[in-house]
Amino acid sequence: NAGVMQNPRHLVRRRGQEARLRCSPMKGHSHVYWYRQLPEEGLKFMVYLQKENIIDESGMPKERFSAEFPKEGPSILRIQQVVRGDSAAYFCASSPQGAEEKLFFGSGTQLSVL
Amino acid sequence: GESVGLHLPTLSVQEGDNSIINCAYSNSASDYFIWYKQESGKGPQFIIDIRSNMDKRQGQRVTVLLNKTVKHLSLQIAATQPGDSAVYFCAENIGKAAGNKLTFGGGTRVLVKP
Repeated sequence: NAGVMQNPRHLVRRRGQEARLRCSPMKGHSHVYWYRQLPEEGLKFMVYLQKENIIDESGMPKERFSAEFPKEGPSILRIQQVVRGDSAAYFCASSPQGAEEKLFFGSGTQLSVL
Repeated sequence: GESVGLHLPTLSVQEGDNSIINCAYSNSASDYFIWYKQESGKGPQFIIDIRSNMDKRQGQRVTVLLNKTVKHLSLQIAATQPGDSAVYFCAENIGKAAGNKLTFGGGTRVLVKP
């Protein structure tokens, strides 16, 4: 059973470009969470999604950031018009129905904005 | 609760000794706690969890202790090995009403000396 899969592992963008980060949850998991981590810090919650629904986006900036988890395919975290401050590691986690609080994390996408 | 800092606290431990990592959590309503291990360049890896109706739980070489009175969580690692070198995070969950999102502590770096 494959774990949470994220791609790409590393993403380099210039200021003003768009970044798309993908996450495929573990098989059988219907809940997806996105977290952001700066060096030497803990993970900060961004958004919680179920299939086709955003449940909680309280940790996600209102501007430039969006997330989706379509009926088919991976969850996407999209950052438009990236700025240097967006450089960070972005982690996706998934959890199964009935044990939603037990999160399993992917290996993350390291976003570097030049 | 969440803490932000430039440097992680570090615990240096001799190989074979026991390690104790401490964590203070912020919300008395939190009812579920997880310890994660994060190695450099990787995502957080689930170690052990505990619910608020318990005060101790044991796994393989690890024990988690929960003191709800003082809102304190600890992780004990028996016979620490070089492979235990990593950053350890505690995380608290205040339940379904709050969207099951985990709030991470600031982390402790464990360095195992041979």
